[in-house]
Amino acid sequence: KAGVTQTPRYLIKTRGQQVTLSCSPISGHRSVSWYQQTPGQGLQFLFEYFSETQRNKGNFPGRFSGRQFSNSRSEMNVSTLELGDSALYLCASSLATGTSGVEQYFGPGTRLTVT
Amino acid sequence: KNEVEQSPQNLTAQEGEFITINCSYSVGISALHWLQQHPGGGIVSLFMLSSGKKKHGRLIATINIQEKHSSLHITASHPRDSAVYICAVFSGSARQLTFGSGTQLTVLP
Repeated sequence: KAGVTQTPRYLIKTRGQQVTLSCSPISGHRSVSWYQQTPGQGLQFLFEYFSETQRNKGNFPGRFSGRQFSNSRSEMNVSTLELGDSALYLCASSLATGTSGVEQYFGPGTRLTVT
Repeated sequence: KNEVEQSPQNLTAQEGEFITINCSYSVGISALHWLQQHPGGGIVSLFMLSSGKKKHGRLIATINIQEKHSSLHITASHPRDSAVYICAVFSGSARQLTFGSGTQLTVLP
């Protein structure tokens, strides 16, 4: 099976612009979670989508949004980019969602640089 | 205080040494994950455990739910084990992973 893919892998944007990142999960996986990784804050949960519904959202401003399509592919969008949004954005897919925890499979990440 | 604390932050070992990385957490959890991140960013899930011990090759992960503590052991370490190891806990009530700050492991030949 192909792994989780993310596009683009690298991106440079200017403050004030918006950006859309894409994540294709492993075939059959219906849950996609997004994470932000920065040197200062480490890895932080952004949101999770399951069956096209946002199941949970981390502590991020409304500029960060996402969606999931019927084929489980997911996109996240960041509007009005700030310098602090420069980070590695990772998505992870899993077969299911739930309260007991499931194994997650991570994509290679998209490295976003905001200038 | 962070909900997930890892130690040490940095660890340098000689090839062949036995390595232990520790993770303590302060919240109730459903599961604990050990992740490996190589330069370039890709993350690999090593273990997910909710009790006891798991072993995969030279890697062993243990968890003590009562003490809220987990350890990752690497036996007969090798330079290819050099990576950042991250502990993450899944809280059923929060329904999200909370991550430790990671341990940078360097294994010298």
